[in-house]
Amino acid sequence: DAGVIQSPRHEVTEMGQEVTLRCKPISGHDYLFWYRQTMMRGLELLIYFNNNVPIDDSGMPEDRFSAKMPNASFSTLKIQPSEPRDSAVYFCASSRQENEKLFFGSGTQLSVL
Amino acid sequence: GNSVTQMEGPVTLSEEAFLTINCTYTATGYPSLFWYVQYPGEGLQLLLKATKADDKGSNKGFEATYRKETTSFHLEKGSVQVSDSAVYFCALTGRGSTLGRLYFGRGTQLTVWP
Repeated sequence: DAGVIQSPRHEVTEMGQEVTLRCKPISGHDYLFWYRQTMMRGLELLIYFNNNVPIDDSGMPEDRFSAKMPNASFSTLKIQPSEPRDSAVYFCASSRQENEKLFFGSGTQLSVL
Repeated sequence: GNSVTQMEGPVTLSEEAFLTINCTYTATGYPSLFWYVQYPGEGLQLLLKATKADDKGSNKGFEATYRKETTSFHLEKGSVQVSDSAVYFCALTGRGSTLGRLYFGRGTQLTVWP
């Protein structure tokens, strides 16, 4: 299995631009999670999906952030407009319904200048 | 609510030294406990887990015992290697919470010198 696949690996953009991060979970996994990692706040859960439906988005910082999961094999996290304080590593993770183990992607390093 | 507190790093050790990284938790009910490891430039990987009190999780020479009485899950290794250099995260998932809904500690950076 290829594991959880995220793209791009690195993203550098200017303040005000739209940023889209992509994730392909492991096939057969019913849960998908978006985490953000920063030095100041550590790992934060932004949102998670079950069977493509958003379950808890209470971690999404503000309306500039949105996430979708149009099908079982693809999810996006969008930031519009981006700000320098959004600079972080964004991780996608997936898990099977009956298994508590989370599989993480390699992350997207986002830098907003 | 659910939360995890782990010792702040960085931790710097010589090869073959003994490692302890402390982790305590607060949770409603009886959570499952985990240690995840993050190598440079990679995502987190599950290192070990324990699902009930007195369980011992172990993997790659690392061990942690679920202590309900002290609400702790300290990570230990008897002899660290340079290849163990990474960031270690303690985490829990609470009973009744969706599987995979993990609460993480802040992480502890471990550096092992040859």
